[in-house]
Amino acid sequence: QLQLQESAPKLVKPSETLSLTCSVSGGSISSRSYYWVWVRQPPGKGLEWIGSMFSRGTTYNNPSLKSRVTMSIDTSKNQFSLHLNSVTAADTAVYYCARAGGGAGCFWGQGALVTVSS
Amino acid sequence: QAVVTQEPSLTVSPGGTVTLTCGSSTGAVTSGHYPSWFQQKPGQAPRTLIYDTNNKHSWTPARFSGSLLGDKGALTLSGAQPDDEADYYCMVYYTGVWVFGGGTELTVL
Repeated sequence: QLQLQESAPKLVKPSETLSLTCSVSGGSISSRSYYWVWVRQPPGKGLEWIGSMFSRGTTYNNPSLKSRVTMSIDTSKNQFSLHLNSVTAADTAVYYCARAGGGAGCFWGQGALVTVSS
Repeated sequence: QAVVTQEPSLTVSPGGTVTLTCGSSTGAVTSGHYPSWFQQKPGQAPRTLIYDTNNKHSWTPARFSGSLLGDKGALTLSGAQPDDEADYYCMVYYTGVWVFGGGTELTVL
C-alpha cells in the first residue's frame, strides 16, 4: 500500500531556506510511470501547487514562486525533497507531497505544517 | 497562468443531487486536462475522489462521479450524505503545470 510521509521543521526563520522531505513506502520513487508533486495550503486558504518532478529529472514549478523552488529525488532513500529559499511569513502553510500520473490517480501525504517566524 | 474557477459554495439537501463545476480561463476543460477532484475536510489532508476526468479511486463512494459538462469539468454527487460536507477542489493540468480552483464549500443541509 502506497504511503507518503512529509517531514519538515515546524519553524523556519524569515529569509532562511525551508526544506521538506517526502518519504515514500509501498512503491518505488524510481518508477517512470509516476511523478511527484508538492502542494501547500496556507491557513484558512485553498490549495496551491508548488511543483512537480518526474523521475527522469524534468521539473515544473509554479511561476508565482519564481526561482525560489528546488526539487530533488533521492532514489537510494526512496524520498523526494523540496527546498524553498528566502521564505517569508507568506510561506507559512501545510505542505503536502503527492504521487500522481500513470493513470493511477493521486495519492497524498498527511501534510506538515511549517511556520515562518522569527 | 491559467485561472480555474469553481462555485465558492453550494448547498444540497440530504439525499439530493448537486453538480460542482470547474472552468478554465484558457477555454474548454477537456479530457486532455486530466481534471481531478479532491475532497478536504477540516484538519485533514485532501483526498482524491476523481482523476483523469471520471476515474475513481478504490475509496471513492459510488455516489460521486466525474464528467465533462459543456466546457467545464464536473463532479456530481447523487444521494448526498451529511458526511459529504467538505471543501472540494478541482485541479486542471496544463502540460506539467497544475492549477487548482479556489474550492467549493459544500453544505449538506
